[in-house]
Order: sequence, then C-alpha cells, then structure tokens
Amino acid sequence: AQSVTQLGSHVSVSEGALVLLRCNYSSSVPPYLFWYVQYPNQGLQLLLKYTTGATLVKGINGFEAEFKKSETSFHLTKPSAHMSDAAEYFCAVSSVQGAQKLVFGQGTRLTINP
Amino acid sequence: NAGVMQNPRHLVRRRGQEARLRCSPVKGHSHVYWYRQLPEEGLKFMVYLQKENIIDESGMPKERFSAEFPKEGPSILRIQQVVRGDSAAYFCASSPPTLWNEQFFGPGTRLTVL
Repeated sequence: AQSVTQLGSHVSVSEGALVLLRCNYSSSVPPYLFWYVQYPNQGLQLLLKYTTGATLVKGINGFEAEFKKSETSFHLTKPSAHMSDAAEYFCAVSSVQGAQKLVFGQGTRLTINP
Repeated sequence: NAGVMQNPRHLVRRRGQEARLRCSPVKGHSHVYWYRQLPEEGLKFMVYLQKENIIDESGMPKERFSAEFPKEGPSILRIQQVVRGDSAAYFCASSPPTLWNEQFFGPGTRLTVL
C-alpha cells in the first residue's frame, strides 16, 4: 500500500520569501511522485512530477521538488513567493506497478502575506 | 483544446434522490478516473475506467455508487439514494493510454445533499 503525509495543513509566508511545502511518502515499490495545485473552486493542475531519472524536478511557476529516497521525501520549494501562489497544494504518489490510481496527501493551504 | 469537462458544476439533491455526474475526458484520452474530495480532506480515489471496462473500483463504496464509461459519450458516476455524507466535490481525471501517469483533472462537481 502507498500513502502520503503532508506536514502542515496551513503554511503562511511573506511575499518574496522561500516557500517550502513538505511531503513524505510510503511505498513498497519505486514511486512516482506528483505535486498538484488547486485554486479555489477549480480542479487540480499538475505542477511537476518525478518518475525516473534526475531527482531534482522543475515544474511550472518556478516550483521545484527533490526526490530523496533515503528520506522518503518529495518536498516542494520556490525561492520567492508571489501573491498568485496562494492555493491548496497536494502531494500524490503512484507507481508503475499495480494500480494506476493516485494516492493524495491531505493538502497544504499556502497563504502569502503582503 | 478542451480540457476535461464536468457537468453539472454544482448539484443539489435531497436525501434519497439520485445524483448523476458527467465527465467528458480530453479528446483522445481513453482512461478516466474519479476521485472524491470531502471537506477539508485530500482527494480519495474511487474508480478507474477505460472504454466499456471498469479496471479498478477499489475505492468505490460497495452500495449506491456505480460508474460507467461507454463506447460513446461521457463517463457517468451515479449515486443512488444520496445521503448527507455524500456531499463532496467529485473530480474526474483523464489520461492518454501511453502516458497514464499524467492525469488531467476537470473542475469538479460539487454535490450538496440537503
């Protein structure tokens, strides 16, 4: 079975500050890892994904994440927060083996302070 | 290019009524997934379908819920005899057959059961 834990249901940062959203996963097989963003009353948009290869993954809107197998982590970062980054962020895990469903974390609501 | 379409966007039903949620995948996508998001929670997988086949329904409640993806037309998630606990946002996602690990999400249907 696979699972995802997102540390911190709410994160608040100042505009221009570093954004760090934490995600730890559990998987008995090599994982595929994803970060999605959800704006109010909208569907989910893929920010970035890790499948194989380079462990540092760059996504849209200046976000990146690093897959660390030894720490079972896939934290999301952005060097400088923008007001438009305010949204809910979801980390998800899947794998090439078995079911193709995504298993999501509980989500982290990011607030940007002016 | 149209993305995943879901309708209705909002649906209000009284207890005991039926709810039908529709999902039109991205053109050319043959894989459809349904997820449910309860208030203040992450998304939970419900069912994975390909044209005319249910591939994985491990997340579907055993009673009252059913899903289909016919050869022609949209995918339908059907909830019979709705109860207040069914109130949630229901998201559909689709993926192409050769890139299953990239799921494109629709805007969701928000079901309210009175």
